Amino acid sequence: DAKTTQPTSMDCAEGRAANLPCNHSTISGNEYVYWYRQIHSQGPQYIIHGLKNNETNEMASLIITEDRKSSTLILPHATLRDTAVYYCIVRAYNTDKLIFGTGTRLQVFP
Amino acid sequence: SAVISQKPSRDICQRGTSLTIQCQVDSQVTMMFWYRQQPGQSLTLIATANQGSEATYESGFVIDKFPISRPNLTFSTLTVSNMSPEDSSIYLCSVVEVNTEAFFGQGTRLTVV
Repeated sequence: DAKTTQPTSMDCAEGRAANLPCNHSTISGNEYVYWYRQIHSQGPQYIIHGLKNNETNEMASLIITEDRKSSTLILPHATLRDTAVYYCIVRAYNTDKLIFGTGTRLQVFP
Repeated sequence: SAVISQKPSRDICQRGTSLTIQCQVDSQVTMMFWYRQQPGQSLTLIATANQGSEATYESGFVIDKFPISRPNLTFSTLTVSNMSPEDSSIYLCSVVEVNTEAFFGQGTRLTVV
């Protein structure tokens, strides 16, 4: 079973930051937090991952709380093309399976 | 990053028939996975395709219904057998190398009538 809880849906105005929360209160010490997104009917796309430190790449930032029980994915300047379902996944680094939860449907509006 | 090609991209099949979906990767990879995504739902892992051995199936999925082949490190097939309308889904192939992110194909959209 998925080990994460996410809101079903969120809205965000174009150009504003989109902050997508994820709860993973049962995360283990060797498990990473991964974020993927799925744009309509395409295969999921990797966004970012982290263990305990905050991470940033060209797509997004990942903020993980100190107790690691929750995290937030930040899209700093959302565009219409960021409209997608965003999945937060916990995964042990020495295993390769991804177990998807229900995800958050992000709608970016003009 | 790995480039994954899936064939066919979509198909409409008669109930009771079988469809074989192919997944080709542009590099050798250790781990390959097959997922199902039912309409409006999230992705569900069907099985891990192991090279040189039988696939490992997740709970609720059986080899007779979803036989998988993995003849080499760049190729795998998933067959959906004796199809019913409930099998209408998107089927996705995914690959992972050790300690890297997963990459996904664009999926095969199957409609069973």
